[in-house]
Amino acid sequence: AQKVTQAQTEISVVEKEDVTLDCVYETRDTTYYLFWYKQPPSGELVFLIRRNSFDEQNEISGRYSWNFQKSTSSFNFTITASQVVDSAVYFCALGNFGNEKLTFGTGTRLTIIP
Amino acid sequence: SAVISQKPSRDICQRGTSLTIQCQVDSQVTMMFWYRQQPGQSLTLIATANQGSEATYESGFVIDKFPISRPNLTFSTLTVSNMSPEDSSIYLCSVEPGRTDTQYFGPGTRLTVL
Repeated sequence: AQKVTQAQTEISVVEKEDVTLDCVYETRDTTYYLFWYKQPPSGELVFLIRRNSFDEQNEISGRYSWNFQKSTSSFNFTITASQVVDSAVYFCALGNFGNEKLTFGTGTRLTIIP
Repeated sequence: SAVISQKPSRDICQRGTSLTIQCQVDSQVTMMFWYRQQPGQSLTLIATANQGSEATYESGFVIDKFPISRPNLTFSTLTVSNMSPEDSSIYLCSVEPGRTDTQYFGPGTRLTVL
C-alpha cells in the first residue's frame, strides 16, 4: 500500500521568511514519482514539480527548492523569502510508474502574513 | 501541459437530484481522471476514464452513483447521482498528456448539496 504523510496541517510565517513543508512517503515500489501541487484559494490544483525515484538530485526553481532523500523517504519543499501569493494548500503526491494512480497527502495549509 | 476546463464551476443542488460535470481538454489525451475533494480534505480518486472503454472505479465508488462518459479523446463527463449533502465537494478532472507521466488538473467544480 502507498501512503503520503504531511504532518504539518497548517503553517503560518511572516512574509520574507523561509518555510519548509515536509512530505514523507511509503511505497514498496522501487520506481515511482513524487509530486508537489499547489491549491490556492480559488481551488484549482497547480502542478509544481515531479521527481523520479532514481533521480535524487535536489532542484531549485526561483524561490522554490525541493530536497529528495530516498534514505528517509522524504521529499521536502522549501520556499525562500516567502510572499503573500504563496499562501495556499500544498499537496505532496506519490505515483506509480505505468498505472498513473496518484496518492495524495492530506495537504499543508500555508499562510503568509504580510 | 494541457488547458483543461470544467463546467459548471460551481453549483448548488437539492438533495435527490443529479448533476453532470463536464471536463474539456485542449488536446487529445488517452487517460482522464476524476477526483473528489471533500471540504478541508485531500483528493481521492473516483475513477479513471479511458476513451473507448468502461471507466475503472476505485474502492468505495460505484458506477450507479458516479456514471462517467468518455465519448472522445478531449472530453469526459462525471454525473453525481441522487445527491445527498455528503456529496458536497470539489470535483476535479485531470489528464496526463502524451507521455509526460504528470497529471494536470482542471479548475474544479464546487458542488454544494442542500
